[in-house]
Amino acid sequence: EAGVVQSPRYKIIEKKQPVAFWCNPISGHNTLYWYLQNLGQGPELLIRYENEEAVDDSQLPKDRFSAERLKGVDSTLKIQPAELGDSAVYLCASSSTGLQDTEAFFGQGTRLTVV
Amino acid sequence: AQSVTQLDSHVSVSEGTPVLLRCNYSSSYSPSLFWYVQHPNKGLQLLLKYTSAATLVKGINGFEAEFKKSETSFHLTKPSAHMSDAAEYFCVVSEGGNNDMRFGAGTRLTVKP
Repeated sequence: EAGVVQSPRYKIIEKKQPVAFWCNPISGHNTLYWYLQNLGQGPELLIRYENEEAVDDSQLPKDRFSAERLKGVDSTLKIQPAELGDSAVYLCASSSTGLQDTEAFFGQGTRLTVV
Repeated sequence: AQSVTQLDSHVSVSEGTPVLLRCNYSSSYSPSLFWYVQHPNKGLQLLLKYTSAATLVKGINGFEAEFKKSETSFHLTKPSAHMSDAAEYFCVVSEGGNNDMRFGAGTRLTVKP
């Protein structure tokens, strides 16, 4: 069974340019997460979906970040415009439920470098 | 809100010696606690989790952790380190009924031959 798939794996863009990341969760997983991981730190939640509904986006910087999960399956995270400080690894994860004791499965991440 | 503190940013052990990675948590409710491992260029993988059943939890690859409510700790141990254990380890807490996972800053484990 395929795990969580993210693309691209690496992305280098100039500041002020837009960028988008794509995530395909494990089949049947209703809950999808986007995390931001800065170098030397633990992942921080950006947004959590239950099916197509964003149930927690309190940490998403909405002035430049947006996300969508059409049809409750794949998801896209966009940054526009990108800033130098956005350089980080963006992780997508999914779980079968949104309950607190449920294992989350993570993709390999997209490493973004803004120059 | 829940949080975790991983007490060591870097731990170095020799192959065949015990491993101890320390984690303290803060939670207002009955928490779920996890340990995830991150190998270079691989996704985070669950090692083990505590969900209010047995306080001593056994995970994959010989790792285990003990939930101690009185000490608000969830330390990860392994009796004998292997070279393949070298990775970044994250302690995670979740509470409140939904899977709002809060990660610690991570502990990098180095295993010397």
